[in-house]
Amino acid sequence: DTGVSQNPRHKITKRGQNVTFRCDPISEHNRLYWYRQTLGQGPEFLTYFQNEAQLEKSRLLSDRFSAERPKGSFSTLEIQRTEQGDSAMYLCASSDKGQWGTEAFFGQGTRLTVV
Amino acid sequence: QKEVEQNSGPLSVPEGAIASLNCTYSDRGSQSFFWYRQYSGKSPELIMSIYSNGDKEDGRFTAQLNKASQYVSLLIRDSQPSDSATYLCAVNMRGSTLGRLYFGRGTQLTVWP
Repeated sequence: DTGVSQNPRHKITKRGQNVTFRCDPISEHNRLYWYRQTLGQGPEFLTYFQNEAQLEKSRLLSDRFSAERPKGSFSTLEIQRTEQGDSAMYLCASSDKGQWGTEAFFGQGTRLTVV
Repeated sequence: QKEVEQNSGPLSVPEGAIASLNCTYSDRGSQSFFWYRQYSGKSPELIMSIYSNGDKEDGRFTAQLNKASQYVSLLIRDSQPSDSATYLCAVNMRGSTLGRLYFGRGTQLTVWP
């Protein structure tokens, strides 16, 4: 396994449409995170899965956002009724089980443009 | 107060020089600290992690942590043009989900030949 894989790499959508992104973590990693990054800012946490359980969601994750990780493998992030403010890079990261200080590795990201 | 702060730069150094990148964080109980490198248009790449006070060296990179001062830095020795990128400081804060990272805005580094 060469790393975290995200698809698609780029997505252009019209305002109001729904979009779904996929993340395949490093195979032995049980922790998976979604972040969002806008230009000139560091990544901001959206949500976290441990195996299939979604254990934490940021207040940034509005009702239009939903994430799943069925069977604790790949994860999807769906945005419904997209808005121009949703335009950003969506990053997925995974990490291994550890006591603390787990290192998180990012995928290539999905760049979303809402027009 | 922003949880993780970095001098935004840009920082410009000549090839072969030492680049020094700094980061402060607000939560004194934080335990885990990371430096990521991000090339323009790409995703963050982990380059260093540090958990204990002092220095940690990996090749041309040295991370320094001072928990009492809530300060973490990254030194890049013998800087190369290929080091030109944005460097992100990330912290896993006390009480937050294990592995959840708080990022600074990043420092843009340019190494000129």
